[in-house]
Amino acid sequence: EVQLVESGGDLVQPGGSLRLSCAASGFSVSSYEMNWVRQAPGRGLEWVSYISSSGATKQYADSVKGRFTISRDNAKNSLYLQMNSLRAEDTAIYYCARLSTRGSDYWGQGTLVTVSS
Amino acid sequence: LPVLTQPPSASALLGASINLTCTLSSEHSTYTIEWYQQRPGRSPQYIMKVKSDGSHSKGDGIPDRFMGSSSGADRYLTLSNLQSDDEAEYHCGESHTIDGQVGLVFGGGTKLTVL
Repeated sequence: EVQLVESGGDLVQPGGSLRLSCAASGFSVSSYEMNWVRQAPGRGLEWVSYISSSGATKQYADSVKGRFTISRDNAKNSLYLQMNSLRAEDTAIYYCARLSTRGSDYWGQGTLVTVSS
Repeated sequence: LPVLTQPPSASALLGASINLTCTLSSEHSTYTIEWYQQRPGRSPQYIMKVKSDGSHSKGDGIPDRFMGSSSGADRYLTLSNLQSDDEAEYHCGESHTIDGQVGLVFGGGTKLTVL
């Protein structure tokens, strides 16, 4: 069974940093492209970042470029999102999602990031 | 980049059918989109991919009463024999590679109420 479990969300002050993790099971992250998607309270879905199956290609939404870094650890079958210089507008539930030929076919349960003083 | 437009809300009676619409920006009218269901307090769940020719491929465990279709720039998700469990937010999304840049865009979502 395919599962994605995010962790690492927390309350952090503006300007602070967090590292989100996404542990995969039931498939190998090295075989799939992966995305991070976020959802601010009461809002729609917003794509954040993408990493190719090889890890060679990484892309970011303009809103997080230069502040967030996506990475993966194939040995741990996990995906990560390093978030620096956090802003109030980064407050959201962050989901990792597997990208297949069908689309984003599996999502985790999400982890809440709150940026506030 | 493609822009996806969804009406913010829709409603229908228990047991009825409803078409949910996702409209692509005109210059991207041939693009393929995906539909996602998000029940209250839950994460999004993949429903299906819908191509410009109306063909669609469903996710694991998606019931037959969920169908996809297309007309021009519009992509539809038809839910038949509505159940109370279908009450949710429905998002459409589009994955693309443009000029070597990979991205994913979403519509604003449609909140479906089953009466």
